[in-house]
Amino acid sequence: KQEVTQIPAALSVPEGENLVLNCSFTDSAIYNLQWFRQDPGKGLTSLLLIQSSQREQTSGRLNASLDKSSGRSTLYIAASQPGDSATYLCAAPNSGGYQKVTFGTGTKLQVIP
Amino acid sequence: DTAVSQTPKYLVTQMGNDKSIKCEQNLGHDTMYWYKQDSKKFLKIMFSYNNKELIINETVPNRFSPKSPDKAHLNLHINSLELGDSAVYFCASSQGVYRLNTEAFFGQGTRLTVV
Repeated sequence: KQEVTQIPAALSVPEGENLVLNCSFTDSAIYNLQWFRQDPGKGLTSLLLIQSSQREQTSGRLNASLDKSSGRSTLYIAASQPGDSATYLCAAPNSGGYQKVTFGTGTKLQVIP
Repeated sequence: DTAVSQTPKYLVTQMGNDKSIKCEQNLGHDTMYWYKQDSKKFLKIMFSYNNKELIINETVPNRFSPKSPDKAHLNLHINSLELGDSAVYFCASSQGVYRLNTEAFFGQGTRLTVV
């Protein structure tokens, strides 16, 4: 059974800082890993999808890495902005059979102007 | 043009009532999901359908019954609503497991409040 943990649970940084969000998963036989953003009272927006064969994926100021052997993924946000304030969730599918995605508990990020 | 749409966005109802939440995706995906997000913001899968076939059924009370009339729709019907059912319910879709590029897309959520 896949278990996904995110550390820290909450993070507050001044605007302009670079930051790293961590995601750990127990079942490393995954097809991919996905990072989402959730704004208060809203749905989930997909940020990045890393395939199991990739080590990194970049989109704008976001860079996600995947290390299957250690069961870890990181989301790096460069030059943080107040608009980046949201909860960030990683999701890893369970291995085998049909896709069943397990979400982490999220990291609530606050970027202070 | 919304990829995954849920209705209603908000639902307030009394205990004991029966209600339905509808979900539609226009992405041509063959797999759809229902997730429940509790008060601690933890997202947990409830059901998954692949080509109208139930493939994942987590430990969910049988008061919850998903229905998939076609692969673009997955509705969630809840009987005899209880206070503990209050949560945000998210619908999602993906292209299933047999392709590497399996990205999940989520609806905006339905906030259910049982009073």
